[in-house]
Amino acid sequence: QVQLQESGPGLVKPSETLSLTCTVSGGSINNHFWSWIRQSPGKRLEWIGYIYYSGSTKYNPSLKSQFTMSVDTSKNQFSLKLTSATAADTAVYFCARGVAWFDPWGQGTLVTVSS
Amino acid sequence: QSVLTQPPSVSAAPGQKVTISCSGSISNIGNNYVSWYQQLPGTAPKLLIYENNKRPSGIPDRFSGSKSGTSATLGITGLQTGDEADYYCGTWDSSLSSGVFGGGTKLTVL
Repeated sequence: QVQLQESGPGLVKPSETLSLTCTVSGGSINNHFWSWIRQSPGKRLEWIGYIYYSGSTKYNPSLKSQFTMSVDTSKNQFSLKLTSATAADTAVYFCARGVAWFDPWGQGTLVTVSS
Repeated sequence: QSVLTQPPSVSAAPGQKVTISCSGSISNIGNNYVSWYQQLPGTAPKLLIYENNKRPSGIPDRFSGSKSGTSATLGITGLQTGDEADYYCGTWDSSLSSGVFGGGTKLTVL
């Protein structure tokens, strides 16, 4: 069965760039949509955006273009980049398959933005 | 403030039935499929229901979903202590052009 695993630094300084990678195992990244979702300390879920295996993307308009997604089909991975991080970006970041619904999800990775 | 509105908490006794509501608008629930997720403490959300009322393989039929107009409901019968978790609804919002979630409902099995 398909499994997802997020990786990246757990601590980022304010104004710096955060980069996360999601590795897909047990299945191909091809022919699927892949999303990033974050959960704030207050447990609110927020959809960040999705990337199709071909590289086309769609982002949450409310997030003001902070995020960029990319995909590497040769490595069965997709990535998220957040520029100019602020404390408000502190959250658990999940990768997941899908766009209309999400299944499966990665275990999540906690990212703290702090000096 | 979440786009979709859920009650913060619900509770019921073991063996009983509980429902969790998710209220939205014509631009989200009214015109798009709803999904539901269970998040056990310290874990990632898990898909329970997709396309309003369909269960993925492995999800017991104790879990059910329905939709009417701009609201959706998750039902859980035969409550077990292992069902204690946070439950979230989700859908697409055509006006916002974004995925949206409810604020989550904490289920306590007394």
